[in-house]
Amino acid sequence: DTGVSQDPRHKITKRGQNVTFRCDPISEHNRLYWYRQTLGQGPEFLTYFQNEAQLEKSRLLSDRFSAERPKGSFSTLEIQRTEQGDSAMYLCASKGTSLDQETQYFGPGTRLLVL
Amino acid sequence: ILNVEQSPQSLHVQEGDSTNFTCSFPSSNFYALHWYRWETAKSPEALFVMTLNGDEKKKGRISATLNTKEGYSYLYIKGSQPEDSATYLCASPDTGRRALTFGSGTRLQVQP
Repeated sequence: DTGVSQDPRHKITKRGQNVTFRCDPISEHNRLYWYRQTLGQGPEFLTYFQNEAQLEKSRLLSDRFSAERPKGSFSTLEIQRTEQGDSAMYLCASKGTSLDQETQYFGPGTRLLVL
Repeated sequence: ILNVEQSPQSLHVQEGDSTNFTCSFPSSNFYALHWYRWETAKSPEALFVMTLNGDEKKKGRISATLNTKEGYSYLYIKGSQPEDSATYLCASPDTGRRALTFGSGTRLQVQP
């Protein structure tokens, strides 16, 4: 157990529906990342928060994707009008900011299947 | 765009065999190299963070080396066990040193 939790672990939805995933990072970590992993590939960066501020978004993050971290604690990732191409594992990671804290700690992921 | 590559893509070994995988990355503007182990249905587990050329790190039967001048890292597993079966990922921070860029992983299966 890394201390990072994600909910739900699995989600099956129909094309066109909206879905929301939640990530609870390690409590003292102020940096939070979302990644997406598809079959045969490594995780790809989606977006990054420092406290409640969303500081960077990947070009992979289309307009249908939105992420929030309202109080600098948990984060949500919403996908609107899901498409079959959104089927993937969505991973969340958190990290501290001191110089000796380089490791990102990952949650178990939410596996999304869009039918 | 940072390009991190891993080989082989998959590996099947017998219990007790020793094995190794390769991660290659751009040697310019190097900051750090991370290794993770990802077992099915679990969180990716951090194994090592390596920063210095010539670094060698060890955790039980797993060890890693780093060559930043030529842009590669090796991960070694001595005396593989079935519980070592997992996908091994390497990653390096992007130029902004925020997000990690991952290789596509090496999937290891250890047969009893």
